[in-house]
Amino acid sequence: QMQLVQSGAEVKKPGSSVKVSCKASGGTFSSYGIGWVRQAPGQGLEWMGRIIPMLDMINYAQKFQGRVTIIADKSTSTVHMELSSLRSEDTAVYYCARAAGLETTYYMDIWGKGTPVTVSS
Amino acid sequence: QSALTQPASVSGSPGQSITISCTGTSSDVGGDNYVSWYQQEPGKAPKLLISDVNNRPSGVSNRFSGSKSGNTASLTISGLQAEDEAEYYCSSSTTSSPLGVFGTGTKVTVL
Repeated sequence: QMQLVQSGAEVKKPGSSVKVSCKASGGTFSSYGIGWVRQAPGQGLEWMGRIIPMLDMINYAQKFQGRVTIIADKSTSTVHMELSSLRSEDTAVYYCARAAGLETTYYMDIWGKGTPVTVSS
Repeated sequence: QSALTQPASVSGSPGQSITISCTGTSSDVGGDNYVSWYQQEPGKAPKLLISDVNNRPSGVSNRFSGSKSGNTASLTISGLQAEDEAEYYCSSSTTSSPLGVFGTGTKVTVL
């Protein structure tokens, strides 16, 4: 069964960038996408973006346009998400998840354990 | 894109059935049948419970079931157990984004 293994916790200064990785272990991306969802402390789930590596298709949530970059390294089955111009409100747990669907997301069935990112001066 | 509306909390006694609603619009919940439900225990990643309105992935208890009527989807938990205490989120495809939209989340408490 495929697992998604995320990189470790990060502490960043305001204005800097953070890069979080998500490696598919025990399987490949196949025709699935990898979505990125974040959760601020005590808050709900929030979409950031999605990549479908097989098609090199990338979609970003409007809120993060211009600040988030998602890339896939198909040779290592790893997806990276970089968020720039960090501010304190970006403090959250960042999840990657396998996303089914092409023109739209049907569901996300395999989730990484999450990467805590703290933005603090 | 606004979040789908869920009740903040729902509670029930062991053995009872509870239902969590997820209200959207004709552009999301009321459109295609791509409504999914996730269970999130404290400190853990979300877990897929229901996909495509009422499809249960392998390994998910048959005490969880989903349905949809118009612009409202519902998750029913029957035979409520202490282990069902968690936060539950709905999600739907939407015409305004290929990513979809999440619900506001519902905390389930077992009395």
